[in-house]
Amino acid sequence: GAGVSQTPSNKVTEKGKYVELRCDPISGHTALYWYRQSLGQGPEFLIYFQGTGAADDSGLPNDRFFAVRPEGSVSTLKIQRTERGDSAVYLCASSLKGGATTDTQYFGPGTRLTVL
Amino acid sequence: GENVEQHPSTLSVQEGDSAVIKCTYSDSASNYFPWYKQELGKRPQLIIDIRSNVGEKKDQRIAVTLNKTAKHFSLHITETQPEDSAVYFCAPTFTGGGNKLTFGTGTQLKVEL
Repeated sequence: GAGVSQTPSNKVTEKGKYVELRCDPISGHTALYWYRQSLGQGPEFLIYFQGTGAADDSGLPNDRFFAVRPEGSVSTLKIQRTERGDSAVYLCASSLKGGATTDTQYFGPGTRLTVL
Repeated sequence: GENVEQHPSTLSVQEGDSAVIKCTYSDSASNYFPWYKQELGKRPQLIIDIRSNVGEKKDQRIAVTLNKTAKHFSLHITETQPEDSAVYFCAPTFTGGGNKLTFGTGTQLKVEL
């Protein structure tokens, strides 16, 4: 079946602009995660959704970052007033149940964000 | 929070040799221990994982061993092939915290012909 998909694959924007990154999880997966991966580093957790609600947003770096998942499927990560330091690959992952389970997290291909 | 270190940061082996990557973590509550493989420009993919009630798990050429007392677990790859060349990340996790993964610093494995 289809895996996790993310759009756009690449996004170039100017400092101060607003961007939206989209994630389509695997159908039926209730848990959805956003991570950010800077060059040469491992992915860093941003936010985790269980269904429609953000169960843990402790990884969001500041209030310029926000994410939604209104119908418990597609999620959008929103970044306001982008800064050059926001440049990274934004990865989305989904798992069947999430919560206190050891479900495998399946990653999308990522969106490479470049802030000029 | 979890402090995760991987050693070595780079590893170069000859095709057919074995490779071992060690992951050390700080949170004694961690109970799930996956390894992810990430090829250049690609997404991370789970290659093997182990739960805290198991000491070792093997899947063909790949194995993971866990020492909970010492808080480290290792990835073992035998009979390495060029397609094993990638960056490998460990991600020790406490599932009671929502299963968010805390990734290590990564190990660049290069398998030379």
